[in-house]
Amino acid sequence: RKEVEQDPGPFNVPEGATVAFNCTYSNSASQSFFWYRQDCRKEPKLLMSVYSSGNEDGRFTAQLNRASQYISLLIRDSKLSDSATYLCAVNRVVYTGNQFYFGTGTSLTVIP
Amino acid sequence: EPEVTQTPSHQVTQMGQEVILRCVPISNHLYFYWYRQILGQKVEFLVSFYNNEISEKSEIFDDQFSVERPDGSNFTLKIRSTKLEDSAMYFCASRASGTGVYSNQPQHFGDGTRLSIL
Repeated sequence: RKEVEQDPGPFNVPEGATVAFNCTYSNSASQSFFWYRQDCRKEPKLLMSVYSSGNEDGRFTAQLNRASQYISLLIRDSKLSDSATYLCAVNRVVYTGNQFYFGTGTSLTVIP
Repeated sequence: EPEVTQTPSHQVTQMGQEVILRCVPISNHLYFYWYRQILGQKVEFLVSFYNNEISEKSEIFDDQFSVERPDGSNFTLKIRSTKLEDSAMYFCASRASGTGVYSNQPQHFGDGTRLSIL
């Protein structure tokens, strides 16, 4: 079973819509969670960390559900500039250090 | 804001040649990573490095690959005897250490080296 799984999409939504992505992780010992954004042919850039209590940054809200082992990202009032691939990342401590696992990414296109 | 830098931005090499991709992680970071992304595909983990040794590597990271931290600032990925299928974007990332409430440290990526094997 993959460490991290995401629906690859694509998600095509109209401008102004609300869209949500989920990402499931397989290891209950996972400790830290993140959402990254990747534009075409660019590097992944940190969008936001995901905290246990959930957190919000402007139009973006991240949630963590440890019982069901998933994280979510909600984007409200979608903008054209939100079009990108969104990657979830999960970190856990192993005896050799910290290991990161990325999902395959979910493609979002916001349509005018 | 400090950032991870990678050189060169684009490397074109003949099949069978060796290449070295260079990365300068953020200065106070202790964990280093290499990833690759074949065009149109997902970001794939290659290797992680901590305390001057490999801490984990994927099945992609075979004997053809090696990493080194030759000095206090550079982190390199060497690919020996390159193959056509090594053509990809290679990303370096680094991460700060942290404990307790500061353990939730994300990785920061460089803008990548596009490797083209002819």
